Amino acid sequence: DSGVTQTPKHLITATGQRVTLRCSPRSGDLSVYWYQQSLDQGLQFLIQYYNGEERAKGNILERFSAQQFPDLHSELNLSSLELGDSALYFCASSVITGGIGEAFFGQGTRLTVV
Amino acid sequence: TQLLEQSPQFLSIQEGENLTVYCNSSSVFSSLQWYRQEPGEGPVLLVTVVTGGEVKKLKRLTFQFGDARKDSSLHITAAQPGDTGLYLCAGARVSNTGKLIFGQGTTLQVKP
Repeated sequence: DSGVTQTPKHLITATGQRVTLRCSPRSGDLSVYWYQQSLDQGLQFLIQYYNGEERAKGNILERFSAQQFPDLHSELNLSSLELGDSALYFCASSVITGGIGEAFFGQGTRLTVV
Repeated sequence: TQLLEQSPQFLSIQEGENLTVYCNSSSVFSSLQWYRQEPGEGPVLLVTVVTGGEVKKLKRLTFQFGDARKDSSLHITAAQPGDTGLYLCAGARVSNTGKLIFGQGTTLQVKP
C-alpha cells in the first residue's frame, strides 16, 4: 500500500460527459502528480500541483483540469469526454517538488468512455 | 518523441534464467527510478538511482545508473514466476519539478 488513495477505481461514462477523479496523497506529501496510461502512449505526465499551486503542465488537454485543495487532496476533472480518453489515470505524490523525483503511485482509476 | 527507450519490450523466459532490461536516453537525468506494475494496479517503486555509475541491489535485482546519467539497466538473477510483471523506468530531468518521464515498459513473463 503506497498510502496514495484514488477514487473511484472504475468509471464508465458516455461520450460528452464530465467526470471527476479524486486523489488523496500520502500523509505529509505536498506534491501531487497526475498521469495518464494508455496502451499506445504508455504513462504520460499530465499536471503537477504543489501545496495548492500548479507547478508543471504536461500533455494535458484543454478539456481536462485539476486542482489541489487546502487539505492537499487533488481532483482531476475531465469534460466533453471522447472515446480516446479511455485510459488508466494515476495520481502520485511526493514530499517535495523537484529533488530526485521519487513518487508513490495510487492504484489508479480506470475510465471507460462508451 | 520518446525520451526514454526501454528494451526489450517483451521478454518470456523460464524460471531460473537471468535477464537484463535496458533503459536508454540521449538526455541527462538527475535521477532514474525503476517501477514494477501489476495488471490493474499502480506502479510500485523498486529503486531510485541518483549518482552516475551507481549500482543498487535489491535481493536478486541489480540496478545500475550509467556514468553519464543517460541510461540505466535492471538485471534479474535466477528469475522466478513472482517476478512476472511490467517493469518501467522513469527519469526526472535536472531542472524540473520532479515530474517523471517514463519508458514504454518491459513486460516480463517468467514461466515455471
